[in-house]
Amino acid sequence: DAMVIQNPRYQVTQFGKPVTLSCSQTLNHNVMYWYQQKSSQAPKLLFHYYDKDFNNEADTPDNFQSRRPNTSFCFLDIRSPGLGDAAMYLCATSREGAGTAPDEQFFGPGTRLTVL
Amino acid sequence: AQTVTQSQPEMSVQEAETVTLSCTYDTSENNYYLFWYKQPPSRQMILVIRQEAYKQQNATENRFSVNFQKAAKSFSLKISDSQLGDTAMYFCAFMNRGRGSNYKLTFGKGTLLTVNP
Repeated sequence: DAMVIQNPRYQVTQFGKPVTLSCSQTLNHNVMYWYQQKSSQAPKLLFHYYDKDFNNEADTPDNFQSRRPNTSFCFLDIRSPGLGDAAMYLCATSREGAGTAPDEQFFGPGTRLTVL
Repeated sequence: AQTVTQSQPEMSVQEAETVTLSCTYDTSENNYYLFWYKQPPSRQMILVIRQEAYKQQNATENRFSVNFQKAAKSFSLKISDSQLGDTAMYFCAFMNRGRGSNYKLTFGKGTLLTVNP
């Protein structure tokens, strides 16, 4: 089945130790998103890729970076995780085109990040 | 900036009954879309229903329907004949499709719905 896959599902890292979260999709969607969802809060968009074009939200800390080496994969890099970065990280994809109605965003199961 | 408010952190309903979840939003845009997403416990978020702001007719998807009041900036979700599988966190979300649109979903804080047997 076509889907959005996130690895790992649970990640534990130490304060200040770089960590990378992975997302892959078999939907062949051109847009991929990374959201941060803290406990009992709404998901918050960090950035997204429209094809190869990277779009950063204005309030996303510099500590968060992303890479999209090809259509199927997208990575979230946290260069120096702090305790406040502990959260669920959601990857989503959609198929978008200029002038068209927005497509449904398909979400992965998320990676829960713990920072010790 | 757009904001989405869900004023009911938690709700419960008996199986087979009807429940309405509230959502209000604030925007100066005229071209936008509204969504309800469902996030079951430990499972991924899925789309329940969507509404185009330019459409006056309320969207329906089987047991799910919305009451879209554009002037009041209100977008409530009605679930009829509630089922145990409807137990989930429900998020209301907004997407601007006017100038400067970037496909960004702005979510409310969510309403945790529990369906009781």
